[in-house]
Amino acid sequence: GESVGLHLPTLSVQEGDNSIINCAYSNSASDYFIWYKQESGKGPQFIIDIRSNMDKRQGQRVTVLLNKTVKHLSLQIAATQPGDSAVYFCAEVQGGGKLIFGQGTELSVKP
Amino acid sequence: ETGVTQTPRHLVMGMTNKKSLKCEQHLGHNAMYWYKQSAKKPLELMFVYNFKEQTENNSVPSRFSPECPNSSHLFLHLHTLQPEDSALYLCASSQDAVRGYTFGSGTRLTVV
Repeated sequence: GESVGLHLPTLSVQEGDNSIINCAYSNSASDYFIWYKQESGKGPQFIIDIRSNMDKRQGQRVTVLLNKTVKHLSLQIAATQPGDSAVYFCAEVQGGGKLIFGQGTELSVKP
Repeated sequence: ETGVTQTPRHLVMGMTNKKSLKCEQHLGHNAMYWYKQSAKKPLELMFVYNFKEQTENNSVPSRFSPECPNSSHLFLHLHTLQPEDSALYLCASSQDAVRGYTFGSGTRLTVV
């Protein structure tokens, strides 16, 4: 079946370090992926997206990498800050605009 | 505020109660969604509405009944729920999913 999953449920990093959150997907036909950030008490918020015709996309302090060969996504956060502490989800957009979410990785930033 | 508003934010209900969750979006989107988020589980898609028409019911038990009177409002009617239905219920909207969904803050539901 189709699934989108994350390798690690928790990640702890020191403030100022870079963070890397990984995601594996199984549907090789998927062509659009999104990373969401969910802070405590809030709904998921869009961070960055990438289409399958790209390998890399950069935003402000965030970079998403897509490796279609091994069906792997990663989210890199540069100079991680306490405000980055949250649960991060990757999601795969399927037909009809349906989002399928991975389990989530909880990022904790130590001061 | 994301433009998607959910009420109430918290709800405690007994297994024999009937209650409704409300979602409203002011983004001009044409699709609305209900997701269930349980602890340590991925977000689970429940229902999809496009232009007020239900286009997906993801095998959701009949004790959950959605209603979409117009493209801006979405309800989830609850009756005779079970304790395992306790979760965060998230509403989202999108415009053809071009940029993914915009989520509300959710309703934290506890069934006692």
